[in-house]
Amino acid sequence: AQSVAQPEDQVNVAEGNPLTVKCTYSVSGNPYLFWYVQYPNRGLQFLLKYITGDNLVKGSYGFEAEFNKSQTSFHLKKPSALVSDSALYFCAVNQAGTALIFGKGTTLSVSS
Amino acid sequence: EAGVAQSPRYKIIEKRQSVAFWCNPISGHATLYWYQQILGQGPKLLIQFQNNGVVDDSQLPKDRFSAERLKGVDSTLKIQPAKLEDSAVYLCASSLGLDRPATSPLHFGNGTRLTVT
Repeated sequence: AQSVAQPEDQVNVAEGNPLTVKCTYSVSGNPYLFWYVQYPNRGLQFLLKYITGDNLVKGSYGFEAEFNKSQTSFHLKKPSALVSDSALYFCAVNQAGTALIFGKGTTLSVSS
Repeated sequence: EAGVAQSPRYKIIEKRQSVAFWCNPISGHATLYWYQQILGQGPKLLIQFQNNGVVDDSQLPKDRFSAERLKGVDSTLKIQPAKLEDSAVYLCASSLGLDRPATSPLHFGNGTRLTVT
């Protein structure tokens, strides 16, 4: 069965510093990987996805993520964090013939 | 483009009562999803429609939950009777792609927060 893990409940970073939100996955075939962000009392918003091709994918708001097949990881990164990046981030995975599975989420807190 | 519309935003009911949620997806989106998000957890798929047909309802508690998507556009999700553990945010999402899995991004509504007392 496929699964996705976000090992950190919360990540704290100072504004201007780089940030990383971790995600690992488990699927039996080739994964399709996604990151979504959720602001308070709002639905999830799509940030970026990896389907195939270049392992480094770029998305909205300056975020990027690196697909690492050997480590089964898809960590979300940003070179310089903003206070406005503070939100709840979800990693999600699916593969052929299956529904999208979400991780439990990581709260990102960026301090000024 | 207009986003995914959901109503109501909030609902408080007593256990054993019934409740219904409504969703209007983005125009032209063939695939519609209902997710349940319990506090502290990621969204869990309840049901997926492709046009007006059900693609996946394997995690829908069919003894109490039902959903329909008439004419392949709007959708309603119903719970009858509600239990305390149904307290959650119910998210509707839609996507353009007809392929499965959805390589097209999901567009989510703001959700309905249900409290069962």
